[in-house]
Amino acid sequence: ETGVTQTPRHLVMGMTNKKSLKCEQHLGHNAMYWYKQSAKKPLELMFVYNFKEQTENNSVPSRFSPECPNSSHLFLHLHTLQPEDSALYLCASSQAGLAGVNEQFFGPGTRLTVL
Amino acid sequence: DAKTTQPPSMDCAEGRAANLPCNHSTISGNEYVYWYRQIHSQGPQYIIHGLKNNETNEMASLIITEDRKSSTLILPHATLRDTAVYYCIVRDFNQAGTALIFGKGTTLSVSS
Repeated sequence: ETGVTQTPRHLVMGMTNKKSLKCEQHLGHNAMYWYKQSAKKPLELMFVYNFKEQTENNSVPSRFSPECPNSSHLFLHLHTLQPEDSALYLCASSQAGLAGVNEQFFGPGTRLTVL
Repeated sequence: DAKTTQPPSMDCAEGRAANLPCNHSTISGNEYVYWYRQIHSQGPQYIIHGLKNNETNEMASLIITEDRKSSTLILPHATLRDTAVYYCIVRDFNQAGTALIFGKGTTLSVSS
């Protein structure tokens, strides 16, 4: 596996379900990100992790709970979601700590539908 | 809010050059210009970045004006696979490990 992988690619869940999205990067990076892209809207940041520590939380509701157990893996735990949470959830990684090197590599995304 | 302004859409004939403009009139001295693109329902893909000199790689060329207030991404020979949303982003040289701020981008449609 190379690059950034995300599983599952598609997920349909009810409002009372609990599910998790997984992201794995094989690039040796130390920063990982969750972005959300709702229909017809720009990508928006949810969370940033640098060296496994959360450094940014863009006022995300608590029904979204991130977890970063190591620098290669990032999870997004979901519970009691709302239909308006249906969106494409994108994971990205980059190498933090190198000034000027800001290229982020994105995974293919998880298409989430909340019924 | 995004610090850039881009036209919402552009059309280009296959095989011709696609020139995508971006205004970033408030860019500061430490900020680079980055271009990403997003093909429908996929993750964004990095294209190129630059500070003040023109840059070229295997995907595109980036022309930055001398005052750095605007730039143009050039796809020299557009193909149907270049149909995507193109995002111009400015960010600080020292902000490795922070989020990208995406605007609405330019939807480029390449047709045969």
